[in-house]
Amino acid sequence: DQQVKQNSPSLSVQEGRISILNCDYTNSMFDYFLWYKKYPAEGPTFLISISSIKDKNEDGRFTVFLNKSAKHLSLHIVPSQPGDSAVYFCAASALDGANNLFFGTGTRLTVIP
Amino acid sequence: GAGVSQTPSNKVTEKGKYVELRCDPISGHTALYWYRQSLGQGPEFLIYFQGTGAADDSGLPNDRFFAVRPEGSVSTLKIQRTERGDSAVYLCASSLRPLLAGNTGELFFGEGSRLTVL
Repeated sequence: DQQVKQNSPSLSVQEGRISILNCDYTNSMFDYFLWYKKYPAEGPTFLISISSIKDKNEDGRFTVFLNKSAKHLSLHIVPSQPGDSAVYFCAASALDGANNLFFGTGTRLTVIP
Repeated sequence: GAGVSQTPSNKVTEKGKYVELRCDPISGHTALYWYRQSLGQGPEFLIYFQGTGAADDSGLPNDRFFAVRPEGSVSTLKIQRTERGDSAVYLCASSLRPLLAGNTGELFFGEGSRLTVL
């Protein structure tokens, strides 16, 4: 039972344009959300996070938006760069629940030069 | 080293054999996690250690899987009587504090151990 879903397995974007990666979740107890980035043959690396008390968090070219009522979050990358090409995982946790992260299945982003 | 180290990076074994996968976390990180990533899936939680004790092993799929962290640093994931369905990348992660202690969720992952069961 997938509690965190990324329905787009892949996304291609031209360099310089905006990349938008989407994530949906089903567990209303989730109150912390994260994005991880993964290059081939490497472990996932933390990118950006957002608490459920916020609806937006920005860090340089990366912005995460959270819509709690829709149980939806998105990661915006602008401008996209070829080095952003990777698999992006959405993850969620319930800080008063299990001490672990629930991951989506990932979206492979390809930024075309 | 500065990061989480996992060995072996690749392991090929035959069905029914015993396998050990090792994780060396970042020095000083008290929380250690094992995840499993099957092909086309995201990482799935297996077990979490706080110090030497397994604080949450609810993700272990069955009793063929066991993990230890005897001195609160290095951890070993042990798989008995391996099955073809155990083939996956086993990821270890560590963090300075556990998620419930206000950690932002920034787990530091190793490169993983790819297990192939023939």
